[in-house]
Amino acid sequence: GEEVAQTPKHLVRGEGQKAKLYCAPIKGHSYVFWYQQVLKNEFKFLISFQNENVFDETGMPKERFSAKCLPNSPCSLEIQATKLEDSAVYFCASSQSTPGNTIYFGEGSWLTVV
Amino acid sequence: SQQGEEDPQALSIQEGENATMNCSYKTSINNLQWYRQNSGRGLVHLILIRSNEREKHSGRLRVTLDTSKKSSSLLITASRAADTASYFCATDSFYGGSQGNLIFGKGTKLSVKP
Repeated sequence: GEEVAQTPKHLVRGEGQKAKLYCAPIKGHSYVFWYQQVLKNEFKFLISFQNENVFDETGMPKERFSAKCLPNSPCSLEIQATKLEDSAVYFCASSQSTPGNTIYFGEGSWLTVV
Repeated sequence: SQQGEEDPQALSIQEGENATMNCSYKTSINNLQWYRQNSGRGLVHLILIRSNEREKHSGRLRVTLDTSKKSSSLLITASRAADTASYFCATDSFYGGSQGNLIFGKGTKLSVKP
């Protein structure tokens, strides 16, 4: 597709439940990134992939968070046993190659943990 | 951690006026990108400027980059009410080989009054 597609747009989970978010990068883009935006301004880098391989996971919390990009499937970000502080907008982005190229973002998935 | 710092944090102007937003960063970069985020929406890419470029234009947008001062500015000329949004700068820092992931500033919230 011509844009980064994220689903679902909104997700509400009770504390302790699992949340799974999906992302389809722009067709032809090799790199996928996940970011977390809290408090409507601060962006935190979580993880990036080059095709199906983890490229940089320095931002991923050690526990409860995992991500995958498998061939012929949307990429996914999964949060086990969600906590209130996981409430945020999760953005997926993709680029043709990196570094030095434009990174295009999806519309985000709004996760609310209650 | 946040690399970029935008100022001002908030800016309110009348339609037709120009809006200037500034961004400072801390480390050497490959490039700097400016994004717009409308309330409740995703990030829209505006301009990418590379570290060897000093100025770039796109329509009513003008971006400058001063690597000696580690700063960039975004100028929106002849502003419109539709320009009301938050504007973020983002850099990919270079540590002997960039991983490509972006480090965002906290954004400038621009309000353009009709």
